[in-house]
Amino acid sequence: GNSVTQMEGPVTLSEEAFLTINCTYTATGYPSLFWYVQYPGEGLQLLLKATKADDKGSNKGFEATYRKETTSFHLEKGSVQVSDSAVYFCALMKTQGGSEKLVFGKGMKLTVNP
Amino acid sequence: NAGVMQNPRHLVRRRGQEARLRCSPMKGHSHVYWYRQLPEEGLKFMVYLQKENIIDESGMPKERFSAEFPKEGPSILRIQQVVRGDSAAYFCASSQGTTQPQHFGDGTRLSIL
Repeated sequence: GNSVTQMEGPVTLSEEAFLTINCTYTATGYPSLFWYVQYPGEGLQLLLKATKADDKGSNKGFEATYRKETTSFHLEKGSVQVSDSAVYFCALMKTQGGSEKLVFGKGMKLTVNP
Repeated sequence: NAGVMQNPRHLVRRRGQEARLRCSPMKGHSHVYWYRQLPEEGLKFMVYLQKENIIDESGMPKERFSAEFPKEGPSILRIQQVVRGDSAAYFCASSQGTTQPQHFGDGTRLSIL
């Protein structure tokens, strides 16, 4: 079946540090891939997406590249800020038989200290 | 330009009571999805609806849970005879159509006493 495996947290970084959150997936066919961010007490916000192999999604300094050969979609940011403290979820979307659903990883909590 | 609106934000029920969770999709969105988030877990798909139709309910427990998205009004997730294990955050998302990004509400946090 379809699944997403994320790096386990929690992770604490200092401001301006480099961030990588690993994400790999298992799916038949070619799913779309997403990163969502969840701030405390809120719902998920779409951070970035990629719909086909070698696509790069980017937003707010975050980037992730759809790597079909390694079935990965790692999230990176060159210099994190305190405001990036949140939980990050990697997800895939599979459309099948007229239905579609997001399949999420377990999430990784990031804390950025000043 | 309201996003996905869920209410209530917090809901407390005693075991055996009914819980009703409401979701109004973003304007122009006709596809609604419900997900459940257990503590320290990712979100799990429950059900996918379009207006007056359940498209996929493969993630929803067979008993006590039901969902609807009527022609008029919000989508409703209904849990009958709640048990402690139903305590979770329930998120609704909406989209303009298949393959379009899903936009999430802030969730309803259900606590069962």
